[in-house]
Amino acid sequence: AQSVTQLDSQVPVFEEAPVELRCNYSSSVSVYLFWYVQYPNQGLQLLLKYLSGSTLVKGINGFEAEFNKSQTSFHLRKPSVHISDTAEYFCAVSEAGSARQLTFGSGTQLTVLP
Amino acid sequence: SQTIHQWPATLVQPVGSPLSLECTVEGTSNPNLYWYRQAAGRGLQLLFYSVGIGQISSEVPQNLSASRPQDRQFILSSKKLLLSDSGFYLCAWSVRPSYEQYFGPGTRLTVT
Repeated sequence: AQSVTQLDSQVPVFEEAPVELRCNYSSSVSVYLFWYVQYPNQGLQLLLKYLSGSTLVKGINGFEAEFNKSQTSFHLRKPSVHISDTAEYFCAVSEAGSARQLTFGSGTQLTVLP
Repeated sequence: SQTIHQWPATLVQPVGSPLSLECTVEGTSNPNLYWYRQAAGRGLQLLFYSVGIGQISSEVPQNLSASRPQDRQFILSSKKLLLSDSGFYLCAWSVRPSYEQYFGPGTRLTVT
């Protein structure tokens, strides 16, 4: 079984500043990793995914994440945030190649301040 | 391209009333389908998932049930709603090979 820990429940940051949202996972097998974003009263949108290959993954809206197998981490970064990035961000993990469910973290609320 | 629909978007129901939420997916075949609930200010709780017609797996014991009468249709039901059933219900689909999930717009359910 897998588990995901998002280390910060809330992250306030000023507009145009860089941000990192932290995610650590636990698994005894190979995994796929995902980041999702949820705007208020909307469904989740896939930001990026790591399946294999390059450990630096680029996603939509200027976000990127780096898979670190030794530290079992998959932190999300953006070099310069905008007010419109204010949302809830969820990290998720699944067993590689499995048709079963994703295991989600508890979420990080990113608030971008003017 | 694939799209996923959920309806209704919002619903207010009294305690003890029945529930039926519907989810349909377009543009893909034989998807895995999922129902999640998101309570206010909390993460996602997987309720049910299905890998095919008539195949439902329940992750959390509760007064809810799910059915998959067609390949791309997933229905969440209850015979008698409880106050604790209030929340934001999300449907999602996935396909091979990576099984990343794509979510619908959600249904906001308030039980009064």
